[in-house]
Amino acid sequence: GAGVSQSPSNKVTEKGKDVELRCDPISGHTALYWYRQRLGQGLEFLIYFQGNSAPDKSGLPSDRFSAERTGESVSTLTIQRTQQEDSAVYLCASSPARGRDQPQHFGDGTRLSIL
Amino acid sequence: AQSVTQLGSHVSVSEGALVLLRCNYSSSVPPYLFWYVQYPNKGLQLLLKYTSAATLVKGINGFEAEFKKSETSFHLTKPSAHMSDAAEYFCAVREGGYQKVTFGTGTKLQVIP
Repeated sequence: GAGVSQSPSNKVTEKGKDVELRCDPISGHTALYWYRQRLGQGLEFLIYFQGNSAPDKSGLPSDRFSAERTGESVSTLTIQRTQQEDSAVYLCASSPARGRDQPQHFGDGTRLSIL
Repeated sequence: AQSVTQLGSHVSVSEGALVLLRCNYSSSVPPYLFWYVQYPNKGLQLLLKYTSAATLVKGINGFEAEFKKSETSFHLTKPSAHMSDAAEYFCAVREGGYQKVTFGTGTKLQVIP
């Protein structure tokens, strides 16, 4: 496929469980972003990866949240000990290179529901 | 620090009427500005972007936006709304050599037949 792929598309889990969300960026895209979108709200920046540079983790809301990326490929966002306030759509985006004019290409998101 | 303000979380227009979605930005350096559209249960899709080449930018689906530095605005317009334009629209700004993008809170557009 040519687009950003996220899995699973939907995830329902119990409070306290750990969840792992996956993002496959567009091939060749060096930048990768994770966002959280709560119901009826805008996009909240979580973390940004650029090539082999140290990631910008400034948006992660707590130490329960972590993310990894292997080179310029797949990324996983992990939420430990989930809470009900973690319920949201988690969006991943990638962009091709450095440069302020490069738009982001988004996946369709993972809809996470914490019971 | 960069920021974006979208006035009006919900906008309703009649089919065939002018669409105007407002976006004001704050940036310490000349910004790059984007408008994205989000359909239900989908990710965001780029409508258009401002990259300083021209102040009036044309995008997909008949949308356009005008960069006005004096007003720090980048409003999105379309002359004639179509039912398929019903969606949520996000304005975004990026500044500096950094790739971080700041999004507005979004405006939901309703098109009334």
